[in-house]
Amino acid sequence: EIVLTQSPGTLSLSPGARATLSCRASQSIYSRFLAWYQQKPGQAPRLLIYGASSSATDIPERFSGSGSGTDFTLTISRLEPEDFAVYYCQQYGSSPPTFGQGTKVEIK
Amino acid sequence: QVQLVQSGAEVKQPGSSAKVSCKASGGTFSNHGLSWLRQAPGQGLEWMGRIIPILGIGHYSQKFQGRVTITADKSTNTFYMEVTSLRSEDTAVYYCARDRRVDGGIYYFENWGQGTLVTVSS
Repeated sequence: EIVLTQSPGTLSLSPGARATLSCRASQSIYSRFLAWYQQKPGQAPRLLIYGASSSATDIPERFSGSGSGTDFTLTISRLEPEDFAVYYCQQYGSSPPTFGQGTKVEIK
Repeated sequence: QVQLVQSGAEVKQPGSSAKVSCKASGGTFSNHGLSWLRQAPGQGLEWMGRIIPILGIGHYSQKFQGRVTITADKSTNTFYMEVTSLRSEDTAVYYCARDRRVDGGIYYFENWGQGTLVTVSS
């Protein structure tokens, strides 16, 4: 199965800053089949990005995804207070679907 | 917008079974499946298996094959996930999620239930 490694483990930033989260795969992900999710404490994950760069419904424009092959990035252009959360990447190019271990974005 | 509402928290003895339900409303599953995932305390997400509602066929992660059964009641749009032979390591929040399959790939998870905490403890 494909192993996804996210970095950094924790990102400490101030509101208004730019956040760059990385997701690296153990093998190339077919056709950019990579998704990103946001999870806040006590809540279910929420789909942000699919197909590496396509935004899900009602996701603010400050969230964007990029990458291909084994290296993918989620960028939050200007952090809002509600963006402080844990972010997970997930590949769906091959079975079983797998997730990274998460990156926590915390207030500095 | 599809809504998935799960059953409440459970406490189970080691060796017993747990059955969690997930009721869907406000959407269709014509191009989707219903997956179950879990998240142990402080840990990441793990896919367990899924069902294709129109076919009623389950497909499972190798890790859970034989210990997890996913079913669907089409008359009530309710899905169930039963896990048997529970052990302490199965303590987790269990989520149902409507998944979208893509040509050439498998699926990502568009809509999620609120989660159900299953605690395994003697």
